[in-house]
Amino acid sequence: QVHLVESGGGVAQPGGSLRLSCGASGFSFTSNNMHWVRQSPGKGLEWVAFIEHNGKSKWYVDSVRGRFTISRDNSRNTLSLQMNSLRLEDTAVYYCAKDFNYAFDNWGRGILVTVSS
Amino acid sequence: QTVVTQEPSFSVSPGRTITLTCGLTSGSVSIDHYPSWYQQTPGQAPRMLIYRTNSRSSGVPDRFSGSILGNKAALTITGAQADDESHYYCMLFVGSGVWLFGGGTRLTVL
Repeated sequence: QVHLVESGGGVAQPGGSLRLSCGASGFSFTSNNMHWVRQSPGKGLEWVAFIEHNGKSKWYVDSVRGRFTISRDNSRNTLSLQMNSLRLEDTAVYYCAKDFNYAFDNWGRGILVTVSS
Repeated sequence: QTVVTQEPSFSVSPGRTITLTCGLTSGSVSIDHYPSWYQQTPGQAPRMLIYRTNSRSSGVPDRFSGSILGNKAALTITGAQADDESHYYCMLFVGSGVWLFGGGTRLTVL
């Protein structure tokens, strides 16, 4: 059974940094592409970032490119999202999700990131 | 700036059939966009219903089906049930390493 668990959320000031992690189990993490998706309070879903199974390709939504970095440690079955230069509008629940045929077939429960002064 | 469009809200009576749509502000939706659909209830993570336009995810009831209707992707619920009341999001892969979600449809069953 696929299990994805996010951690590392919390409160940060504008301009600050946070690092999210996602522990994966129940599937071959090394063979699967992964994503981060976020959802602002009361709003819809927004895809944030993608990383290929081997870590070579990384793609980002325009609003976070240059500020966020997606990475993975296949030896530890862990996906990460380093978030720098945080803005108020980055406040959201962040989900890690497993890629399946250009869709997201398994999701974590999400972790709240609040950017506030 | 390409935007994925969905009906903001829809209402259906129990047992009736409803079709939600997913379009693009620029161009038509095709199978090359790998349309997928998600159901989300408040406080929960999204659940994948449909991938690759019309493939049903494991465990999803067969009353949920996906298709391309005209220039849009579509999610049809045949015989809506009370526990289908939820938010539904479509997602498209628009190429160049970009995935876009629609704004979501809030479905009420009453």
